[in-house]
Amino acid sequence: GAVVSQHPSRVICKSGTSVKIECRSLDFQATTMFWYRQFPKQSLMLMATSNEGSKATYEQGVEKDKFLINHASLTLSTLTVTSAHPEDSSFYICSARGGWYTEAFFGQGTRLTVV
Amino acid sequence: TQLLEQSPQFLSIQEGENLTVYCNSSSVFSSLQWYRQEPGEGPVLLVTVVTGGEVKKLKRLTFQFGDARKDSSLHITAAQPGDTGLYLCAGGTGANNLFFGTGTRLTVIP
Repeated sequence: GAVVSQHPSRVICKSGTSVKIECRSLDFQATTMFWYRQFPKQSLMLMATSNEGSKATYEQGVEKDKFLINHASLTLSTLTVTSAHPEDSSFYICSARGGWYTEAFFGQGTRLTVV
Repeated sequence: TQLLEQSPQFLSIQEGENLTVYCNSSSVFSSLQWYRQEPGEGPVLLVTVVTGGEVKKLKRLTFQFGDARKDSSLHITAAQPGDTGLYLCAGGTGANNLFFGTGTRLTVIP
């Protein structure tokens, strides 16, 4: 399968600061990238879908001004959590789809802790 | 948002037992995927099924896609401790969007 790399794997930040999470497809061109949030012992909740070069499509209830998504190239998408608060603490996971693949492949996830 | 319900939500069994996890929806999907996720990591794709009625086998795991492409099942034979994890089904709709099921947390006791 294809490889998707997510960075950082863990980050701790102070309340009010912004955090950027990167998602890279290493061996294929990701025309579409997805960002998910996962609370402890729960399934993945889709936050937004982004196509390269276009604005992201956010799911209902997800604040687009708080969770900024950029998909400027076919191998990189970023999620920036702006003015983070403790309730933003969660496990964030990206996935990418494109090239020869019909499936989506996942990054390793980022554990965000806001203190 | 398409809703995929998985059952059971939690399952704890002894090593060597068999089990089945179900994934049900009222929506039709163009494809259905099964993932396994371990704590602190991203989900890993196990299989993709695209044809109604399709059955795929992966060693001790058997996956089936419902005839109407609304449901799926995962059967594990002779479960092992290494099978422990969160199992997620996910339904695909066309080119984009993958909707995840509610998840089944499996624990296999040695």
